[in-house]
Amino acid sequence: ETGVTQSPTHLIKTRGQQVTLRCSSQSGHNTVSWYQQALGQGPQFIFQYYREEENGRGNFPPRFSGLQFPNYSSELNVNALELDDSALYLCASSLRRADGYTFGSGTRLTVV
Amino acid sequence: KQEVTQIPAALSVPEGENLVLNCSFTDSAIYNLQWFRQDPGKGLTSLLLIQSSQREQTSGRLNASLDKSSGRSTLYIAASQPGDSATYLCATPDTGGFKTIFGAGTRLFVKA
Repeated sequence: ETGVTQSPTHLIKTRGQQVTLRCSSQSGHNTVSWYQQALGQGPQFIFQYYREEENGRGNFPPRFSGLQFPNYSSELNVNALELDDSALYLCASSLRRADGYTFGSGTRLTVV
Repeated sequence: KQEVTQIPAALSVPEGENLVLNCSFTDSAIYNLQWFRQDPGKGLTSLLLIQSSQREQTSGRLNASLDKSSGRSTLYIAASQPGDSATYLCATPDTGGFKTIFGAGTRLFVKA
């Protein structure tokens, strides 16, 4: 079975621009979560999608938005990028809460 | 609201030493707890998942224990090797269940 794949691996954007990050969930997993990890900190929950619906959101502004597609892959969109958005963005998928989560390798976003 | 703390923040040990990493959580009504390994700039690799009904899980040289009553989990690494050098994170679902709360991690360095 394939794991969670994220693209791109690295990205440099200018302040004020918009960015889209992509995630393919592990085969059969219907739940996808996105996390932001700043340097030296633990991952912070952004939001979660279950069967194409957002079913939970952390303390992130509305300019962070997402989508989940019928094949359970997902996108994270960030508008009006700020310097503080520079971080590692992680995607995780799961089938059942009892199974824990499988993480991708992340996308390193740098905003200049 | 669940909070997760990891102590120490960093640890340096000589090769071959047995070591214990600590994880504390404030709400003992956890569903499960997961330990991850993270290499610099990379994604998270799941090491062990302990369900709330379990006391410990083992995988190779790793053993994770869970004591809900005291709000603690420990990750025991036997006969440490330089390849074990990484950041170790513990995480548990929030009370509401849809987001996972992470500790800030313990950065481990094993000296050859």
